[in-house]
Amino acid sequence: DIQMTQSPSSLSASVGDRVTITCRASQSIRSYLNWYKQKPGQAPELLIYAASSLQSGVPSRFSGSGSGTDFALTISSLQSEDFATYYCQQSHSSPYSFGQGTKLGIK
Amino acid sequence: QLQLQESGPGLVKPSETLSLTCTVSGGAISSNTYYWGWIRQPPGKGLEWIGSIYYSGTTYYNAALTNRVSMSISTSKNQFSLRLTSVTAADTASYYCATDKLGATVSGRWFDPWGQGILVTVSS
Repeated sequence: DIQMTQSPSSLSASVGDRVTITCRASQSIRSYLNWYKQKPGQAPELLIYAASSLQSGVPSRFSGSGSGTDFALTISSLQSEDFATYYCQQSHSSPYSFGQGTKLGIK
Repeated sequence: QLQLQESGPGLVKPSETLSLTCTVSGGAISSNTYYWGWIRQPPGKGLEWIGSIYYSGTTYYNAALTNRVSMSISTSKNQFSLRLTSVTAADTASYYCATDKLGATVSGRWFDPWGQGILVTVSS
């Protein structure tokens, strides 16, 4: 099974900051990597699919990069609604595993 | 625009069977560009993919659960279902159904959209 490891597990930032969350796969997953955002009490929502494609309706301050084993989600200028938990997920092979999550809090 | 809604009991006794249904609206469950998936999240923890089903009935499951899980689909009702047998407290979680979408212009698959989720507690 492919293990997905995110870093950091948590971080604090301020509105307007640039933030990057990384995700590492235990083996190459090419570009089969998705990012989700989850707020407390809500279902996850898709932000980025296929490593770098922005889901329709998602603000352009979100971007994804990487291929192979190393990936990143960048938020260029944090807004108040971005404080949430973020998950990466690989769709290269079953079982389709998620990272443990990165909780983004307000500094 | 697809919308998904989970339904089922919120409390299941240990050793019994958890049964949930997901009703799809805004599109046909028989689309050939979607699978239909279940994902769960124990309270305060991360996400675990349970399995996915195609409109034809083809299924694939997380190997960690394969001996206890089954899924079915009804194209006439636009619904798909999850059964998890012999539940324990470790199966307490929010259960989400989601569209398991296959990429058309890029390779890959992703979950979008998701249902709102249903909390299932395993307790006597």
